[in-house]
Amino acid sequence: AQSVSQHNHHVILSEAASLELGCNYSYGGTVNLFWYVQYPGQHLQLLLKYFSGDPLVKGIKGFEAEFIKSKFSFNLRKPSVQWSDTAEYFCAVRGNAGNMLTFGGGTRLMVKP
Amino acid sequence: DAGITQSPRHKVTETGTPVTLRCHQTENHRYMYWYRQDPGHGLRLIHYSYGVKDTDKGEVSDGYSVSRSKTEDFLLTLESATSSQTSVYFCAISESEGKGDTEAFFGQGTRLTVV
Repeated sequence: AQSVSQHNHHVILSEAASLELGCNYSYGGTVNLFWYVQYPGQHLQLLLKYFSGDPLVKGIKGFEAEFIKSKFSFNLRKPSVQWSDTAEYFCAVRGNAGNMLTFGGGTRLMVKP
Repeated sequence: DAGITQSPRHKVTETGTPVTLRCHQTENHRYMYWYRQDPGHGLRLIHYSYGVKDTDKGEVSDGYSVSRSKTEDFLLTLESATSSQTSVYFCAISESEGKGDTEAFFGQGTRLTVV
């Protein structure tokens, strides 16, 4: 079975600070990896995804993530956060069986102006 | 936004009553999913469907059933609602792997309160 672990449940940053959210997954085969964002009161939206190729993936709104296969990690980064980045962030993995998407517990980010 | 409509958007129901949530898509995607979202647990898969009348259980399927009689509709039923099923329910859709790499698209969610 696949599983996803997000290390930080709550993160508070000031504007312009750098962000890194950890994500580790457990799955023995080929995986697709995703980061989703959920703004307050809204549904989940895709930030970025990794399927194959360059392990450094760039997404929307200045976010990027690096897939490190040896560490089973897919950490999300942003060099300079904005107040509008306040949201909950979810890492997800999809293995190659059944097309099921498994989510981590989420990280709630608050950016102080 | 992908064409996904969840109904109702909000519902309050009493313990022991049956409840059906509907997910309707206009994208003709093969896969449809029901997740529940609870604080600290992220999104947990309840059931999913990989085609008309083809469904399978997710990690938290107890107390829930689903049906998919048409490509566009995926129904989630709580046969006898309990307070532990108070949650926000999200429907998601995705295309099959055979048509290329795709992500899942989510509906707006249904907030269900069981009193």
